[in-house]
Amino acid sequence: QSALTQPASVSGSPGQSITISCTGTSSDVGAYKYVSWYQQHPGKAPKVMIYEVTNRPSGVSDRFSGSKSGNTASLTISGLQAEDEADYYCSSYTTSTTYVFGTGTKVTVL
Amino acid sequence: QLQLQESGPGLVKPSETLSLTCSVSGGSISSGYYYWGWVRQPPGKGLEYIGSISYSGRTYYNPSLKTRVTISSDTSKNQFSLKLTSVTAADTAVYYCARLISGGRFDPWGQGTLVTVSS
Repeated sequence: QSALTQPASVSGSPGQSITISCTGTSSDVGAYKYVSWYQQHPGKAPKVMIYEVTNRPSGVSDRFSGSKSGNTASLTISGLQAEDEADYYCSSYTTSTTYVFGTGTKVTVL
Repeated sequence: QLQLQESGPGLVKPSETLSLTCSVSGGSISSGYYYWGWVRQPPGKGLEYIGSISYSGRTYYNPSLKTRVTISSDTSKNQFSLKLTSVTAADTAVYYCARLISGGRFDPWGQGTLVTVSS
């Protein structure tokens, strides 16, 4: 299984909105409503920010939102803050009953 | 509050077997609805799903690692384990264990443990 495709980097100024894309295939992203997004700060374990495409776990800021269209899922961060600077990974359940992660996106707050 | 902690050797020789254990506290691994998984991250690179085990012991593996991976559980110790055989330098990574909630939500994660493959 191939990793889902994400842009290597995305940047924005404080207060702006940014969107990270996650492109897969009809065997993963396009097949199920099981896409999650993870935030990872340097040296730390990943933290789930979005699950099942659009759901936010308790405690995650509502500035984070998710969506999906066809084989591409997206994570939007609105009102960008310095603390949002991190690496972000998407993941999807697949028709092979396994999971696949995205290539990762480094978010920089200018 | 559920917590996971990885343990095992930090250095493994090439061609040998990597063995890690994930100890779970604050909840039972035999509880229904949850799976338990392993994910790794080579230094400076992205996340890779290794595999997972259900509360009933059914296993699922990344096809690219399937021939070398075994995941098992010990409910009496509330632990689950990873074995990766015939390791090479390419298996050097931080290995994370995590609870896997149906639908693909890995939450929470252990702190991760770095395993280096070197002679």
